[in-house]
Amino acid sequence: GENVGLHLPTLSVQEGDNSIINCAYSNSASDYFIWYKQESGKGPQFIIDIRSNMDKRQGQRVTVLLNKTVKHLSLQIAATQPGDSAVYFCAVSYNFNKFYFGSGTKLNVKP
Amino acid sequence: KAGVTQTPRYLIKTRGQQVTLSCSPISGHRSVSWYQQTPGQGLQFLFEYFSETQRNKGNFPGRFSGRQFSNSRSEMNVSTLELGDSALYLCASSSRTDFGYTFGSGTRLTVV
Repeated sequence: GENVGLHLPTLSVQEGDNSIINCAYSNSASDYFIWYKQESGKGPQFIIDIRSNMDKRQGQRVTVLLNKTVKHLSLQIAATQPGDSAVYFCAVSYNFNKFYFGSGTKLNVKP
Repeated sequence: KAGVTQTPRYLIKTRGQQVTLSCSPISGHRSVSWYQQTPGQGLQFLFEYFSETQRNKGNFPGRFSGRQFSNSRSEMNVSTLELGDSALYLCASSSRTDFGYTFGSGTRLTVV
């Protein structure tokens, strides 16, 4: 199996600052990781993914970092905006089988 | 292309009744997974179907069942509803060959 945990249930940042959301996993064989954003009343929305053969991947204003040595995953959001306020989940999978989800970090962006 | 479509969006049922939820995956996706999301338990895996076969199963009682049709559309059924079944039920589809795992907007089930 897999245990996936997030370091903080809630994160408050000032608009324009950078946000970092963390996730830890337990199975060293896990090889595919996804970050999702979930707004109230909606399903999780795919943000960015990374495979275990990479340690960094960048998207638009988002960067995912993977440290396989300590089994840690982070999502960095640059210049955080009010529209980024949501719950963020990491999802972890081995060989694209069942996904395990963290409990989520609620990001509050203060104007 | 169209996303994952779940119907209905909202549902209110009485204890003891049964309910069927529907999920239409992204065109070309043959894998459909179902999750239950509650404030206390987060996202919990129910089951996955691929090419009409159940591939993986979570730790839910037999009252929760599912199936997948030849066009990859999937349904899940919950029989003898309990108050604790109130949740947001999400399905996610993928191709299983390309990476990516896309969720629908969910069905909000309330059991009264």
